[in-house]
Amino acid sequence: DVKVTQSSRYLVKRTGEKVFLECVQDMDHENMFWYRQDPGLGLRLIYFSYDVKMKEKGDIPEGYSVSREKKERFSLILESASTNQTSMYLCASSTPLGQGAYEQFFGPGTRLTVL
Amino acid sequence: TQLLEQSPQFLSIQEGENLTVYCNSSSVFSSLQWYRQEPGEGPVLLVTVVTGGEVKKLKRLTFQFGDARKDSSLHITAAQPGDTGLYLCAGPFSGTYKYIFGTGTRLKVLA
Repeated sequence: DVKVTQSSRYLVKRTGEKVFLECVQDMDHENMFWYRQDPGLGLRLIYFSYDVKMKEKGDIPEGYSVSREKKERFSLILESASTNQTSMYLCASSTPLGQGAYEQFFGPGTRLTVL
Repeated sequence: TQLLEQSPQFLSIQEGENLTVYCNSSSVFSSLQWYRQEPGEGPVLLVTVVTGGEVKKLKRLTFQFGDARKDSSLHITAAQPGDTGLYLCAGPFSGTYKYIFGTGTRLKVLA
């Protein structure tokens, strides 16, 4: 079974703090993703990575950065947390199935509250 | 622009009823996934369909991929309270590994 794990299920931080969210996958997937999910807005892509040290901005990268030093680990960094970054953060990894098809798996999520 | 429209948005039914959820697009997808998400949890992958016309079954759940690979459906037979959750369809954006997500169907099965 594919396993995507996230370092914390719940986090409470103060405005201005630097926040690290860690994600690890155990299936040697090349592609990894960070999303945030908010009521009424669905899942929105923050950043993704298609290889070690490679990253691309998603739809809402402002206020976030990422790091991928090892294939299995993808970190999301909030440089200076703000209250509008309170959200559910979801990490995912994907694998190609051939002919342009992919299969994506999610972690359990981190519920971040910024006070 | 590739979009995935799901219908219905909300569904509340009694235990034992059957239901179908639809996922439609005007674009062709190389594959589509269906996920179920419970409150406070990450989406859990239920199935991946790849071939046009493909039908897959997972216990009481039947998934179908349209012949033209532009739409998919999820049929649940004899729904149970444990089926309650948010159902999402999703597929890779054309030519990339970025994903498009459906608008979601929130299902509530009453005992």
